[in-house]
Amino acid sequence: DAGVTQSPTHLIKTRGQHVTLRCSPISGHKSVSWYQQVLGQGPQFIFQYYEKEERGRGNFPDRFSARQFPNYSSELNVNALLLGDSALYLCASTLGRSYEQYFGPGTRLTVT
Amino acid sequence: QKEVEQNSGPLSVPEGAIASLNCTYSDRGSQSFFWYRQYSGKSPELIMFIYSNGDKEDGRFTAQLNKASQYVSLLIRDSQPSDSATYLCAVIPGFSGGYNKLIFGAGTRLAVHP
Repeated sequence: DAGVTQSPTHLIKTRGQHVTLRCSPISGHKSVSWYQQVLGQGPQFIFQYYEKEERGRGNFPDRFSARQFPNYSSELNVNALLLGDSALYLCASTLGRSYEQYFGPGTRLTVT
Repeated sequence: QKEVEQNSGPLSVPEGAIASLNCTYSDRGSQSFFWYRQYSGKSPELIMFIYSNGDKEDGRFTAQLNKASQYVSLLIRDSQPSDSATYLCAVIPGFSGGYNKLIFGAGTRLAVHP
């Protein structure tokens, strides 16, 4: 079975630009979560979606938004990029309401 | 006080030894605990989860949970150089508002030397 997939793998953007990151969950998984991981730290929760509805939001500014599509794939959008947004963005999928979250390979975003 | 705390390491152990990784958490209502392994430049990989007090074994890995003391540990038996990675402890807090967000520690770097 295919795991969680994310695209693109790497991305370089300039301050002030906008970025869209994409995620496809494991087949059969209906919940997707997004995390940001900066170097030397553990991942930090951004959003969780279940059955296309936002279930939770972490402590991130409104520049961050997300959505989930009918096929359970998801997009994370970040507007007005700042240097501090440079990080590894991780998508995790969960089967239904279970607790185990499985991560994709991540998207490495560099803001210059 | 951080919500999930881990010793940053590096924890250095010889090949074949037992590596012991520890984690403490602040939310007494937490019910679900996870260990992820993260190789340099890669994403976290779920290796163990534990929900009840006591020990849970899976191959060379044993997770231990003590809710009264608010700590969770991971033991790796017969450590191999391929186990060298950062180990992340994660917790789902007791009150998460109807969703399951993971709160991570900063990770412990493990180095297994031949």
